[in-house]
Order: sequence, then structure tokens, then C-alpha cells
Amino acid sequence: AQSVAQPEDQVNVAEGNPLTVKCTYSVSGNPYLFWYVQYPNRGLQFLLKYITGDNLVKGSYGFEAEFNKSQTSFHLKKPSALVSDSALYFCAVRDTSISGGYQKVTFGTGTKLQVIP
Amino acid sequence: ETGVTQSPTHLIKTRGQQVTLRCSSQSGHNTVSWYQQALGQGPQFIFQYYREEENGRGNFPPRFSGLQFPNYSSELNVNALELDDSALYLCASSLVLAGEETQYFGPGTRLLVL
Repeated sequence: AQSVAQPEDQVNVAEGNPLTVKCTYSVSGNPYLFWYVQYPNRGLQFLLKYITGDNLVKGSYGFEAEFNKSQTSFHLKKPSALVSDSALYFCAVRDTSISGGYQKVTFGTGTKLQVIP
Repeated sequence: ETGVTQSPTHLIKTRGQQVTLRCSSQSGHNTVSWYQQALGQGPQFIFQYYREEENGRGNFPPRFSGLQFPNYSSELNVNALELDDSALYLCASSLVLAGEETQYFGPGTRLLVL
């Protein structure tokens, strides 16, 4: 079974400071990993993904994430937070050992990011 | 935007009724997944359709069913609605290509069951 853990319900950071939103995962095979952002009363917007290759993945809006296989983590980072980054962030994983076109993606419970002016 | 649309945006039903939610995928995407997101929770996988056939299902009862059509649209049907079915329902479309895909989400339909 695949699972995702986002240990922090909320992260507060001052505008201009670096931010980190934590994510750890569990899969049987190799993971595909995703970060999505959700603004109030909206659907999920894709930020970035890790499939293979470089452990540091760059995504939209200046976000990046670092894949760490030994720690089974995929933390989301941004060097300088903006007030407009305040939203709900979801980490998600897909186990690539599942074949046949079936692509169940498991989401974490979300982390609310609050950027303080 | 993602190019994925959903209708209606909001819906109110009473317990025991049936509901149909609709999704229009990105053109060319051959896979659609449906998720239920309860308030304060992450999306929970309901099922996935690939080339018009269900090819995966989460822990949801059979009263949750779906259809996928050749024109990249799909439906989620829920029979015998229960209060706990109140949630945001999200569809996500993707293109399965060599096993790699990114799911693109619609804005969701918020269902309230009274």
C-alpha cells in the first residue's frame, strides 16, 4: 500500500523568509511524487513532480522540492515566501510498481501555509 | 488554467437522492480520475477510467459509479446519497504515456447532502 504523511497541519513563515513544507512517503516500488496547491474554494493546481533523475525538482511559482530516497521524503521549498503563497499544499505519491495503466494517486492530508506580511 | 471543467459548481441534495456530476477533460487525455475531498481532508481516490473503462477503484461502495465518454467527458454518479457524501468532488484528467502522467484537476463540484 502507498501512503503519504504531511506532519504539519500548518506552517507559518514571514514574508521574504525561506519556507519548507514537509512530506514523507511509503511505497512498494519506486515513487512518482507530486506537489499540488489549493486556494480556497478551488481545485488543485499542479506545482511540480519527481519521476526520476535529479533529486532537486523545480516547479511553478519559484517552488522546488528535494527527493531524498533514504529518508523517503519530498519536502517542498521556496527561497523567499510571498503573501500570495498562502494556501493549502498537498503532497501526493503514486507507486510505479502498479502496472496496467492504473494510476491511483494517494494524497496527504495537506499543510496550510500562512505567510505573514 | 488546467483545461479541465466541472459542472455544476455547487449542488444541494437530500438524503436518498441520486446525483450526477460532470467533468470535461483536457483534449487528448485518455484517463480521468475522481476524488472526494471532505472538509479539512486531502482528496480520496474514488476510481479511475482509462479509455472508457474503469481500471481502478478506491474504498468506495458500488453506489459510486462512473462513465467516461469518447469526447473526453465523464460522469460521477452517486446513488442513495448519505449525509457523509457531502464534500468537494474533483475530477482529474491525465495522459497515460509510457507510465508517466501528471493529473490536472478541475475546480470541483461542492455537494451538500441534507
